[in-house]
Amino acid sequence: GDSVTQTEGQVTVSESKSLIINCTYSATSIAYPNLFWYVRYPGEGLQLLLKVITAGQKGSSRGFEATYNKETTSFHLQKASVQESDSAVYYCALSENYNVLYFGSGTKLTVEP
Amino acid sequence: DMKVTQMPRYLIKRMGENVLLECGQDMSHETMYWYRQDPGLGLQLIYISYDVDSNSEGDIPKGYRVSRKKREHFSLILDSAKTNQTSVYFCASSFPSLGGSSYEQYFGPGTRLTVL
Repeated sequence: GDSVTQTEGQVTVSESKSLIINCTYSATSIAYPNLFWYVRYPGEGLQLLLKVITAGQKGSSRGFEATYNKETTSFHLQKASVQESDSAVYYCALSENYNVLYFGSGTKLTVEP
Repeated sequence: DMKVTQMPRYLIKRMGENVLLECGQDMSHETMYWYRQDPGLGLQLIYISYDVDSNSEGDIPKGYRVSRKKREHFSLILDSAKTNQTSVYFCASSFPSLGGSSYEQYFGPGTRLTVL
């Protein structure tokens, strides 16, 4: 079945440093699923950070970027300079039938001052 | 204000007791979802509801049932809870997908359920 893999459970980065959170996916039914990054801040529900539906395209939001790479089936999340307020749990997800999302296990980002 | 609410936020039950988790949304979304998340795993879909009384099983429906009698309200029911149903439960809602793109899902803050 469909799956999303996030290899890092936790990442700690110093403020103003760059960040990359890895995500790879496997889709069984269609070649180019929709890909998403959701973020969960403490005490809140998940919220959409960015979404890309076309292979080769890049999505961006709040200084974060992710590029849909169909060759490597990856959708890594990057930010050039993180802030303390970026501390949260980040989830990569894919959708093939447009209603159902398959999530990775999440990466907890801690930004140190 | 676009919001998904969940009640209760924390719940402790004994094995064999019945559990009712409530979810509400104020966005008139047709589609609603129940997920659970266990440590080290991603969110897993339990049930999806396409509208009032139009519910479908997700990937892990065993041991759960749902009820949707109003568009803005979606309940998850555990009849005779088991210890392996200890988890964090998330409710979400969205507009139904049209064409070739997914709509954003809006999530509640989660309910942490412990079954002793």
